[in-house]
Amino acid sequence: EVQLVESGGGLVQPGGSLRLSCAGSGFTFSDPYMHWVRQAPGKGLEWVGRIRNKPNSYTTEYAASVKGRFTISRDDSKNSLYLQMNSLKTEDTAVYYCARENYYLDYWGQGTLVTVSS
Amino acid sequence: DIVMTQSPDSLAVSLGERATINCKSSESVLHSSNNKNSLAWYQQKPGQPPKLLIYWASTRYSGVPDRFTGSGSGTDFTLTISSLQAEDVAVYYCQQYYSSPRTFGQGTKVEIK
Repeated sequence: EVQLVESGGGLVQPGGSLRLSCAGSGFTFSDPYMHWVRQAPGKGLEWVGRIRNKPNSYTTEYAASVKGRFTISRDDSKNSLYLQMNSLKTEDTAVYYCARENYYLDYWGQGTLVTVSS
Repeated sequence: DIVMTQSPDSLAVSLGERATINCKSSESVLHSSNNKNSLAWYQQKPGQPPKLLIYWASTRYSGVPDRFTGSGSGTDFTLTISSLQAEDVAVYYCQQYYSSPRTFGQGTKVEIK
């Protein structure tokens, strides 16, 4: 059974940093591209970014709203995906989901809540 | 960026009746190489992550009831729930995976009338 489990969310002050993790199981983690998608309270889904796999040099893409502040990485040996978030703003408050790509996003984690507030 | 626009923002439908959600992309998401539309539909119930319903615009994902049907091509797409059930109350999102940034529609909330 495919599972994605996010962790690392919490309360952080504006300007602070946080690192989210996503542990994958039930599939060959190194194969697919992986994504982060977020959802602000009561709002819709916003794509954050994705990381390709090793054959594609682990290249990354980001939404304009997070580019230069967020970094996506992965450690295939640990079946883990990461989202390093720096210079956090109040508008980054959201539930952050990791998701597996099969062109479309076929599996999603349950999400982890990040609250940016003073 | 490709902008995805859904309509309506919300709708209330009686149990057993048809619900129709539209999704329009600002550019075509049809791949000429394989004649497939890179368009997916997701269902999100309160407190849950999104779930994949439809991909390639019209292919139902494994385990999705056949009352859910996706249609359309190019820039105009539709998700139809043929006979609304109580468990279908949710927010539905379209998403294009034709190009980055991947973009979602704003969501359509489906309720029982």
